[in-house]
This record gives sequence, C-alpha cells and structure tokens, in this order.
Amino acid sequence: SQTIHQWPATLVQPVGSPLSLECTVEGTSNPNLYWYRQAAGRGLQLLFYSVGIGQISSEVPQNLSASRPQDRQFILSSKKLLLSDSGFYLCAWMASGVSYEQYFGPGTRLTVT
Amino acid sequence: LAKTTQPISMDSYEGQEVNITCSHNNIATNDYITWYQQFPSQGPRFIIQGYKTKVTNEVASLFIPADRKSSTLSLPRVSLSDTAVYYCLVEKNNQGGKLIFGQGTELSVKP
Repeated sequence: SQTIHQWPATLVQPVGSPLSLECTVEGTSNPNLYWYRQAAGRGLQLLFYSVGIGQISSEVPQNLSASRPQDRQFILSSKKLLLSDSGFYLCAWMASGVSYEQYFGPGTRLTVT
Repeated sequence: LAKTTQPISMDSYEGQEVNITCSHNNIATNDYITWYQQFPSQGPRFIIQGYKTKVTNEVASLFIPADRKSSTLSLPRVSLSDTAVYYCLVEKNNQGGKLIFGQGTELSVKP
C-alpha cells in the first residue's frame, strides 16, 4: 500500500532562517506531488505541484521554492523565512493518469518567530 | 477552474442527517465534483466524487442535479466524530490534479 511521509512534524524557526521540509511517498511510482499551506486552520493554498522529476509548477510567487530530486521525493525550501510563512504545510500525492483522489501527509506545523 | 461557494459553517446534532450544498455555476462539461473532509491538524481526506445524478458510498451520498450547477453532500446520521471541515472542489480528471480548495464548511456536531 502507499504511504506518504512528512518531516518534521513541528518546527519553530526564527525570521530570516532557512527552511527545508521533506516529503516522500512509498508504494507508487511517478506520482503527482503537491505542497499546500494552510493558515489559521482554514483554506488550503496550493503552493507547488510536480508531475515528474525536475518539473515544478509554482502557484504562489513567494520566498518559497520546491524541488523534486527523485521520483517520490518533494522538498519545500526557503532561504529566508518571513513571519507570514507560519502555517500548516501539507504534502500530497496523486496517481498520475486518470485519477481524482489526492492523499495527504500528516503535515508540518511551522511557526516563524 | 470553476469557483465553488459553500456555507462557512453548519451546526447539527448527533443522529441527524446533514446536507451541505455547494454552488459551482461555471462548471465545465469535463469537470467532476469532489468532496474532502479535514479534521484539525490533519490533511484532508477524500470522501466522494461524482459527475451527475447520485453517488453513494459507505461514508456519504452526493446529489448532483441535471444542470450540475450545484451539488449536495449528504451525511446520514452524523456523530460527534463527523465534526470537521468539508471542502467542495470542482476538477477535471487527469489534468495534473491541480486542486483548488476553498474555505470549506465547518460542520459542528453537538451531542
């Protein structure tokens, strides 16, 4: 069966520090991968999605970036965090091809102080 | 992507049937309607998807009228554990899965 992992579960970082959140998927190949952010407990904002290695589409032009170095690995990064980057970050995957169901990871709670 | 509109919040009591309606006036011919459920501090979970008429699974039913400009998620006999945020999404199958989540409906089930 497929599983999705995210780490860390929680993170407290000072303003201006770098960020690296990692997401990996097991049990499937060539998945579509997604990064979402949820602020204040409501409404998920799609940040990035990827349909293949090295293919990243950005939805929100901010100080965040994403990379997909391997088929089932998706990384969210920032060189300098802002207070507004605080939130709940969720990684998700979906089978490529005809599909309609996304599977979400456990999430990372990021607090920027 | 078609925009969706749904109530911000709803209250219910245990054992009642809950119907959450979503409007999607600009739905396209090849769009599907999908509902997700999210508990606090967890990622959303797929509930049900449909194209037209009625779809039922072990969790919920989805009613879609002929014009497909709205849909209704029906949760039979809710319990306290159904307290969550419910999202209505409209998406095209096999389009990279670019899902756009709105604000959702916060359902509160009371004893």
